[in-house]
Order: sequence, then structure tokens, then C-alpha cells
Amino acid sequence: EVQLVESGGGLVQPGRSLRLSCAASGFNFDDYAMNWVRQAPGKGLEWVSGISRNSGNIGYADSVKGRFTISRDNAKNSLYLQMNSLRAEDTALYYCAKLIGQGWYFDLWGRGTLVTVSS
Amino acid sequence: QSVLTQPPSVSGAPGQRVTISCTGSSSNIGAGYDVHWYQQLPGTAPKLLIYENINRPSGVPDRFSGSKSGTSASLAITGLQAEDEADYYCQSYDSSLSGSGIYVFGTGTKVTVL
Repeated sequence: EVQLVESGGGLVQPGRSLRLSCAASGFNFDDYAMNWVRQAPGKGLEWVSGISRNSGNIGYADSVKGRFTISRDNAKNSLYLQMNSLRAEDTALYYCAKLIGQGWYFDLWGRGTLVTVSS
Repeated sequence: QSVLTQPPSVSGAPGQRVTISCTGSSSNIGAGYDVHWYQQLPGTAPKLLIYENINRPSGVPDRFSGSKSGTSASLAITGLQAEDEADYYCQSYDSSLSGSGIYVFGTGTKVTVL
């Protein structure tokens, strides 16, 4: 089955760190760029970060630049997001999304993992 | 930050036609970048609905159609059904922010079936 499954979310205090994972299955993971998109409670979608097939090209939203690090392990069909110096405004459902490079759209999404930053 | 503007809500009776606008600028839609649309049913992840302005993925009913002109795009739903009640988001690429391109989403539109 073609799917993305996120994990690693939870409740964390402001200033602490958390690492999210996304396990891919059912497609050739190393053929696609991968991204993280988040959605704060009751709010819209916000692109967070993206990584190319071979990790040579990486991008971040201004809101997380310098605090978050995206990475991937093609041998494990996995995508990661290391989140440091977490803030209350980082509270959101974090989705892993597969990018169709030619058209620059997301054709497969996971169910998301919830990150809550609160003391 | 949302740089694509959508109406917060639209509504229609079953069977009616509704449209959702997505307004961008010269650094995204107006620069020629494609617009894509996602449907998010309550409590679920977004699902690709329209890609590259006008194309429907396999399995998406032809009641859904997209268009693009200038710095804007639109999603139309004809023959509105109760199951279409959801949030809809447009998405494109923006070449001006952060010095390098990023993916941008619209503000989102809630469709209510009366």
C-alpha cells in the first residue's frame, strides 16, 4: 500500500527539542523530494521544509529556519524533522508529504503527528 | 505565511455550483507557476484534488474543475453534494520569499452544503 506514516509527536516544553519521523512505503522513496507541512489547530496549511531526492537541495520556511533540520535516509525509506528551540507557535499537526517535482505539488500525504509546545 | 488569498467560506444548496477564488501575485501565480487544489475533509489529511491548474487525479469526480488566469485561479464544484462539505486550499510556488523558492498555500475556504 502506498502510504506515509508520521511519528514522534507529543507534548514538549518551550525551548526543548523533538524529532519527527515519516516512514514511506509502496513507492520508490528515493525517486521523490519530500516535505513537511504543518497545520496549527483550527488554522490553514503552512509549508515547513523540503528536501530533494539526494538531500542536495533543502529549504525551510522563514518561521523555522535555524531551528529545524530536515533529513532523509533513503536506505530506510524515512524522512525526519529535527525541531529545536520549540515555541508555542510551533504547536501543530505535522504532515509528511510527497512532492511531484515536475509540477511542484503534493500528491501523497500522511495522517500527521501532533506536536504540542506548552509548559 | 499565506500569500494566496481565498474567501473564508462559500455555501450552496445540493446540486448548485460554487466557485472558490485564489488570488496571488506576480511572484507566484502571476509568474506562471501552476496552481493546485486540495480537499480536507473534517479530521483528515489534505487530499490532492486538482493539479497543474486543470487536471484531476484518478478518482476525483469531474464535478470538480480548476482554472487559472493572470494572478488568480479558481476551483468550481458543480452539482454540489453533501460529501463535498470540507475545507479547500490552493497551493502554488513562490519565487520571491526567503531568497529561494517556497511552496505557498491559500488561506483556505470552508464549503458548506446547505
